[in-house]
Amino acid sequence: QKEVEQNSGPLSVPEGAIASLNCTYSDRGSQSFFWYRQYSGKSPELIMFIYSNGDKEDGRFTAQLNKASQYVSLLIRDSQPSDSATYLCAVRYGNKLVFGAGTILRVKS
Amino acid sequence: EAQVTQNPRYLITVTGKKLTVTCSQNMNHEYMSWYRQDPGLGLRQIYYSMNVEVTDKGDVPEGYKVSRKEKRNFPLILESPSPNQTSLYFCASSSEGGPKQYFGPGTRLTVT
Repeated sequence: QKEVEQNSGPLSVPEGAIASLNCTYSDRGSQSFFWYRQYSGKSPELIMFIYSNGDKEDGRFTAQLNKASQYVSLLIRDSQPSDSATYLCAVRYGNKLVFGAGTILRVKS
Repeated sequence: EAQVTQNPRYLITVTGKKLTVTCSQNMNHEYMSWYRQDPGLGLRQIYYSMNVEVTDKGDVPEGYKVSRKEKRNFPLILESPSPNQTSLYFCASSSEGGPKQYFGPGTRLTVT
C-alpha cells in the first residue's frame, strides 16, 4: 500500500508569518508530487506541483522536494487569513494519485 | 467555462437501493477518477479511467462500479449501498499526463 503521511494539525500561524507544511511518502519510485488546497465545504484545487529535487516557487508558495528523504513540503510566505484551509499532499504512483489526510492551517489576524 | 459537474449534490438513501452518481466534464480530458473523502482519511481513490472503455481499480473499489462509454462521462454506481459508503464523493478529470486534476463540487451521500 502506497502511503502519504501528513500531520493533521491544526497548524496555527499569525498573519504575515511563514507557514510550513510537511509530507512524507513511502515509495521511492514516485515521480510527481502535488499540493492541493481545500476550503471547508469546497472541492480541492491544485496550488503547486513539483517533479524534481529542490525548490519550486510560485508567488507566495514554495514547494520543496527531497527524494532521498522521501519528503515534500509547502511553504507559504506572508500568510493571510484567506490561506486558512486544509492542505492536501498528493503523490502520483503510475496512473494513481494517492492523497495524504491533509493538514489544517489556521492563519490568525 | 471548464468544469466538472456531478449529480446529485446531496443524496440520502437506504441500504440496498441501487444508485448512480453522474460525472461529466467539458474539457475533453482523457483521465477521470472517483474519490471518497472521509474525516481523518483524506481522499481515497475508488476507480479511475485512462480513456473510453479503459477503467481500473483505485485503493478502495469494493462495493462500487464504474463505466466509461463516452469520454465526457464517468458515472459511479453503487449496486447495493451500505452505511459504510456514507461519504463525500468527488469526481475529477485531467488531461493525459497533465499535472492538474479538476474536481467536481462533490456529492454528499448518506446511506441509512
